[in-house]
Amino acid sequence: DIQMTQSPSSLSASVGDRVTITCRASQSINVYLNWYQQKPGKAPRLLIFAASNVQNGVPSRFSGSGSGTDFTLTISSLQPEDFATYYCQQSFATRALSFGGGTKVDIK
Amino acid sequence: QVHLVESAGGVVQPGGSLRLSCAASGFTFNYYGMHWVRQAPGKGLEWVAFIRYDGSTKFYAVSVEGRFTISRDDSNNTLFLQMNTLRTEDTAVYYCVKDGVHDYLWESPYFDSWGQGTLVTVSS
Repeated sequence: DIQMTQSPSSLSASVGDRVTITCRASQSINVYLNWYQQKPGKAPRLLIFAASNVQNGVPSRFSGSGSGTDFTLTISSLQPEDFATYYCQQSFATRALSFGGGTKVDIK
Repeated sequence: QVHLVESAGGVVQPGGSLRLSCAASGFTFNYYGMHWVRQAPGKGLEWVAFIRYDGSTKFYAVSVEGRFTISRDDSNNTLFLQMNTLRTEDTAVYYCVKDGVHDYLWESPYFDSWGQGTLVTVSS
């Protein structure tokens, strides 16, 4: 199975900060990497698919990059509504889809 | 817009069974693959099962293989998850999830729409 490792597991940031979250796959997954945002008590929401494609309706401050084993989610200017937990997910191994452990972004 | 509504979960004893359903609307149900994803209390997300748009292919996480069965009723736009031989570690919120692509054989899947989730508690 492909293991997905996110870092950091948590971070504290201020409104307006540039935030970067990293996701590393245990083997190459091409660009088959997706990002989700989850707020407490809510279902996750798709942000980015295929490494760098922003889902319809997602603010342009969210961007994704990477290929192979190393990927990044960037929030260019953190907004109050962005405080949440973020998950990466690989879809290279379609018989065994898997998520990273999550990165919690909270207020500094 | 896409609307996915899971049936109520509940409390089940270890070794017991439960069937979840998910009513789908707002999209052409029989054109998309569907998934179940779960989240144990205070933990991360875990993919559980997938069914292809035409029901011809099903994949399961190792943790549920042989105990859970995913199925679909396209005439009623409904997705199911039959859970047997439940264990305490199956306690989680279960989400019904729509795939963002028509067929995983041609495009890489992603989870583009989620239900609100339903809590299943396995406890004696």
